[in-house]
Amino acid sequence: QKEVEQNSGPLSVPEGAIASLNCTYSDRVSQSFFWYRQYSGKSPELIMSIYSNGDKEDGRFTAQLNKASQYVSLLIRDSQPSDSATYLCAVNANTGTASKLTFGTGTRLQVTL
Amino acid sequence: GAVVSQHPSRVICKSGTSVKIECRSLDFQATTMFWYRQFPKKSLMLMATSNEGSKATYEQGVEKDKFLINHASLTLSTLTVTSAHPEDSSFYICSAPRLRDRGNEQYFGPGTRLTVT
Repeated sequence: QKEVEQNSGPLSVPEGAIASLNCTYSDRVSQSFFWYRQYSGKSPELIMSIYSNGDKEDGRFTAQLNKASQYVSLLIRDSQPSDSATYLCAVNANTGTASKLTFGTGTRLQVTL
Repeated sequence: GAVVSQHPSRVICKSGTSVKIECRSLDFQATTMFWYRQFPKKSLMLMATSNEGSKATYEQGVEKDKFLINHASLTLSTLTVTSAHPEDSSFYICSAPRLRDRGNEQYFGPGTRLTVT
């Protein structure tokens, strides 16, 4: 069983719509959760981190965490063609020291005109 | 701006030669760094954890004698691909954790695209 699961997509949304990206994880002791955006041929770029249950908003991005359900999501409001990329969910079990991230396989998002 | 740099960004080498890739944390110290490789349209694969002042920790299936890692200082880790072969052609990316808010956020370097001919 994969430790971090994401739908590979592609998820296609029209420009201006809300894109909803989902991720589930299996390790209940996970403490830190991250969303990365990766454009084709580029390295991942950190866009959101979340540590507590609930919502965290940053501009057009909102991360949602539900530890009881072991579920983390990313909402992108007013989607733009430039948001088209692969979004990676990553989970870390330890906040105090630098431990490994476990990545999902990523969801490819396509924002259409 | 960038918080982790990598050099070179792109390298082409002949089979049998060795290639060194540098990863630097910019204006923060990283006692641990991570090395990944990624094949086209595939997921990130963690190769090893680079530890300042001690040996690197390699993931299962990664040859430590082929992929030499040296964490020379608190801001520099190097990955040397020894006796490179065409199957080593890949996108190599490093990351470094930086303490932010309530946890360590990992920042990736821009990556090094290695082509072995």
